[in-house]
Amino acid sequence: DAKTTQPPSMDCAEGRAANLPCNHSTISGNEYVYWYRQIHSQGPQYIIHGLKNNETNEMASLIITEDRKSSTLILPHATLRDTAVYYCIKRGGSNYKLTFGKGTLLTVNP
Amino acid sequence: DAEITQSPRHKITETGRQVTLACHQTWNHNNMFWYRQDLGHGLRLIHYSYGVQDTNKGEVSDGYSVSRSNTEDLPLTLESAASSQTSVYFCASSAGGPNYEQYFGPGTRLTVT
Repeated sequence: DAKTTQPPSMDCAEGRAANLPCNHSTISGNEYVYWYRQIHSQGPQYIIHGLKNNETNEMASLIITEDRKSSTLILPHATLRDTAVYYCIKRGGSNYKLTFGKGTLLTVNP
Repeated sequence: DAEITQSPRHKITETGRQVTLACHQTWNHNNMFWYRQDLGHGLRLIHYSYGVQDTNKGEVSDGYSVSRSNTEDLPLTLESAASSQTSVYFCASSAGGPNYEQYFGPGTRLTVT
């Protein structure tokens, strides 16, 4: 079975960059990597997605390795409000479904 | 501003009762989804719709139904509520094809006693 691996928890100091890793045991050529986060008691929030090129938006940057099995979400200047569970999800083809794993609990400390 | 809303935000009901959770989006998105979230399971897909009159079962659809009579709304009905359906329910919507991001509502916390 295909497996997505993320560390269960990470800590980051406020103002520092947070680098969240994700590994997929397998990933197809048409599968995108998505990142969502969920702040406590709120609905999940879309952050960014990519196929094979690195991507950047106003929230974060996404680095994808050449074999596309690994990706890193970078929050360049983490704030206390970035404390959340971060989910790495692969999705592609005609598959609309998002399959959420356990994600990484990122705690930003003052 | 366009948004996605859910109501009620909190609901307590008794076993065997029929319950309907509302989801309304103002983005004019074709695709709408219902998920439930339980400790230890993450989010799991219940039902989804790609447009008016279209509905599809997700991975945990037993005991739930949906109907899509217009673009804006996808109500989720629990035909006969069971304690196992105590959960937090999230609705989401997305535009266009499968690689468009999903936007989630604030959630409904349902307790079945």
